[in-house]
Amino acid sequence: EVQLAESGGGLVQPGGSLRVSCAASGFTFSDYWMGWVRQAPGKGLEWVANIKYDGSETYFVDSVKGRFTISRDNADNSLYLQMNSLRAEDTAVYYCVRNEYKGYSDLWGRGTLVTVSS
Amino acid sequence: DIQMTQSPSTLSASVGDRVTITCRASQSINSWLAWYQQKPGKAPKLLIYKASSLESGVPSRFSGSGSGTEFTLTISSLQPDDFATYYCQQYDTYWTFGQGTKVDIK
Repeated sequence: EVQLAESGGGLVQPGGSLRVSCAASGFTFSDYWMGWVRQAPGKGLEWVANIKYDGSETYFVDSVKGRFTISRDNADNSLYLQMNSLRAEDTAVYYCVRNEYKGYSDLWGRGTLVTVSS
Repeated sequence: DIQMTQSPSTLSASVGDRVTITCRASQSINSWLAWYQQKPGKAPKLLIYKASSLESGVPSRFSGSGSGTEFTLTISSLQPDDFATYYCQQYDTYWTFGQGTKVDIK
């Protein structure tokens, strides 16, 4: 079955760090751009980061530049989002997404909740 | 940065109604636009890509149109399963979502 499964969410204090992961299955992971989209409680969708199929290019929304890193392990079919210097406004459900080239997201995981609070 | 503005923010409609949602871009995005449907507690689902291409498995009552800066999503005959929130997304320059349009029961 073609699917994405996030893990690693949880409660973290402001200023802390957290790494969320995404396990891909059912498709050739190394053929696709991948990314992360987040949704704060009761709010809309916000694109966070994308990574090229070979990891050679990465892109971030301005609000997380310098704090978040996106990476992938094509041998392990895994995507990661390392989040540092976390703020309350980073509280959200983080969705792992598969992208068609540099475009739209045709496959979404169920999401993992990250809560930044003291 | 490209801004995406959806209207209306909320739309009340009845089963069988024809529903239209508009999405405007702050600059031309050609046809690099997607539409998603999201139900409470669930991940979004792709409906339309490249402004008017229907994703496989999506009912034909959904259609998209437009190019440049103005786009529409139309549901030709609203079904009970269609009450949800809809988002547009541009992917011409980086990626930006609209703020969403909630379609609820009239």
